[in-house]
Amino acid sequence: QKEVEQNSGPLSVPEGAIASLNCTYSDRGSQSFFWYRQYSGKSPELIMFIYSNGDKEDGRFTAQLNKASQYVSLLIRDSQPSDSATYLCAVNLWGGGATNKLIFGTGTLLAVQP
Amino acid sequence: KAGVTQTPRYLIKTRGQQVTLSCSPISGHRSVSWYQQTPGQGLQFLFEYFSETQRNKGNFPGRFSGRQFSNSRSEMNVSTLELGDSALYLCASRRGETGELFFGEGSRLTVL
Repeated sequence: QKEVEQNSGPLSVPEGAIASLNCTYSDRGSQSFFWYRQYSGKSPELIMFIYSNGDKEDGRFTAQLNKASQYVSLLIRDSQPSDSATYLCAVNLWGGGATNKLIFGTGTLLAVQP
Repeated sequence: KAGVTQTPRYLIKTRGQQVTLSCSPISGHRSVSWYQQTPGQGLQFLFEYFSETQRNKGNFPGRFSGRQFSNSRSEMNVSTLELGDSALYLCASRRGETGELFFGEGSRLTVL
């Protein structure tokens, strides 16, 4: 079993819809959770991180964390074609937003159709 | 403000050779991490350096090594290259021990 699992996609949504990206992790000790966006041929860039159960909102993005179910998700509201990219979920055993040894999933390719 | 700079961007090597990749972090950043990205395995953590000391290491063979200099620049070396080492090698830096990681554009290595 992979430590961080994501559906590879592609996840196709129409412009303006809500895109829901999911991620599960195997290590119950994981404390910090991150979502990165990677455009084709580019480097990953951080969208947001979360380390408390519940929801965290930042603009059109909402991260949801459920430690009991070992599940983290990213919702993108009002999806735009410019959101089309690979979304990487990453976890860290350390808390407080630590990024010293991130374990990444293989990413979900999101395609927003105009 | 300059971002994370990696050189070379592209390189081709043959099996058995060795390669050295360089990373210049954002000015003022003391931590440098290296990741290997392949289509099948995704991003995998190689190692992290902080103030010239290796703080964490991933599950890669000893052929993969790295170091960090006093100016925070880092290098990673892969000896006795294998076909499976073909990948995008990403360097990331951050200011302290926590906080956002900023990734460079990567060095794409092809081993023939």
